Amino acid sequence: GNSVTQMEGPVTLSEEAFLTINCTYTATGYPSLFWYVQYPGEGLQLLLKATKADDKGSNKGFEATYRKETTSFHLEKGSVQVSDSAVYFCALKFDSNYQLIWGAGTKLIIKP
Amino acid sequence: NAGVTQTPKFRVLKTGQSMTLLCAQDMNHEYMYWYRQDPGMGLRLIHYSVGEGTTAKGEVPDGYNVSRLKKQNFLLGLESAAPSQTSVYFCASSYPHRSTGELFFGEGSRLTVL
Repeated sequence: GNSVTQMEGPVTLSEEAFLTINCTYTATGYPSLFWYVQYPGEGLQLLLKATKADDKGSNKGFEATYRKETTSFHLEKGSVQVSDSAVYFCALKFDSNYQLIWGAGTKLIIKP
Repeated sequence: NAGVTQTPKFRVLKTGQSMTLLCAQDMNHEYMYWYRQDPGMGLRLIHYSVGEGTTAKGEVPDGYNVSRLKKQNFLLGLESAAPSQTSVYFCASSYPHRSTGELFFGEGSRLTVL
């Protein structure tokens, strides 16, 4: 079946460090891929997305590239800030279906 | 900018009690969803609705009921609460699925069942 696997957290980094959060997927077909972020005490919000292979989604300094050959959508940021501390969720969705399939989430902690 | 509003935000129940969570959205979205979030398990879909007067089961519907009498509201009911239903519940809404695929979430409702 279709599924999303994320690296386990928490991921702890110092401010200004480089961030990578791994996300790989298993899917029959070509889904759209998403990263959502959940800040403490809040609901999830869309961070970025990509709808086809080799697309790069970007927002707030974060980037992720849709890699069909490795079935991956890793989230990266060049220099993290304390305010980036949150839980990050990777998800996939097919156009023909209402449902998002979610990864388990990765908690990111940034220390000053 | 209200977006998606959930009430209540916190609730403590005893086993066997019933309650209703209310979700309201002001974006005129067709689709609405109820998820539960448990540590290490991501989001799991409980029920969803594709329009006023319609509801459907998601991945984990047992022990829950829903209603969508008005387009802007989606209610989640627990008929007889169990400790396994201790969780954080999120409501979300979206345009029909063939569009962007973006979901808009409420802030969550934390439920504890003793």
